[in-house]
Amino acid sequence: AQKVTQAQTEISVVEKEDVTLDCVYETRDTTYYLFWYKQPPSGELVFLIRRNSFDEQNEISGRYSWNFQKSTSSFNFTITASQVVDSAVYFCALIQGGSEKLVFGKGMKLTVNP
Amino acid sequence: NAGVMQNPRHLVRRRGQEARLRCSPMKGHSHVYWYRQLPEEGLKFMVYLQKENIIDESGMPKERFSAEFPKEGPSILRIQQVVRGDSAAYFCASSPIVAGLIYEQYFGPGTRLTVT
Repeated sequence: AQKVTQAQTEISVVEKEDVTLDCVYETRDTTYYLFWYKQPPSGELVFLIRRNSFDEQNEISGRYSWNFQKSTSSFNFTITASQVVDSAVYFCALIQGGSEKLVFGKGMKLTVNP
Repeated sequence: NAGVMQNPRHLVRRRGQEARLRCSPMKGHSHVYWYRQLPEEGLKFMVYLQKENIIDESGMPKERFSAEFPKEGPSILRIQQVVRGDSAAYFCASSPIVAGLIYEQYFGPGTRLTVT
């Protein structure tokens, strides 16, 4: 079975604070893919990052960084110096090897206050 | 390069009517996926199609729902005899497929279906 858990449902921070969004996944396969998507208030889903199970290298893209740790089955997402425009629901998702369907976590609503 | 197109953006149907949701994938993408977002259930996979083929429909309700991706034209998600519980946001996504590798799925803006 495959499952994605985002334990935090809602976080509120003040602008310029750093915030980390947790994601824990479960899968039996050794080959899998992890994703983060952003859903701003306008409602569309925006792709942020894809990671495959063989690549544990962490990634940084501007103020965004991702920490992938197979030992703890986690794929956490950090926003540094948060901005009001970061306010959105963030989804972590998993594709298990041999499948092409995204399994989403329940999402985490981030509110960044000015 | 235009993104994934979905129409209509908003659709209101009375109970018992049919709803047709359309999706045009990104140029060069041959795989289409449909997902449904219900307020209490989150985002759930419904169906995965390639041109003229349904590859995986394990998330589709057994009755009233169908999907197609014809050789020409957009993918269609069809809901017959809609009920209030069908009210949700329906998202379409597309991805390229290169040598069997998994790539990210790019989502359309969604169709918000309201059943009155």
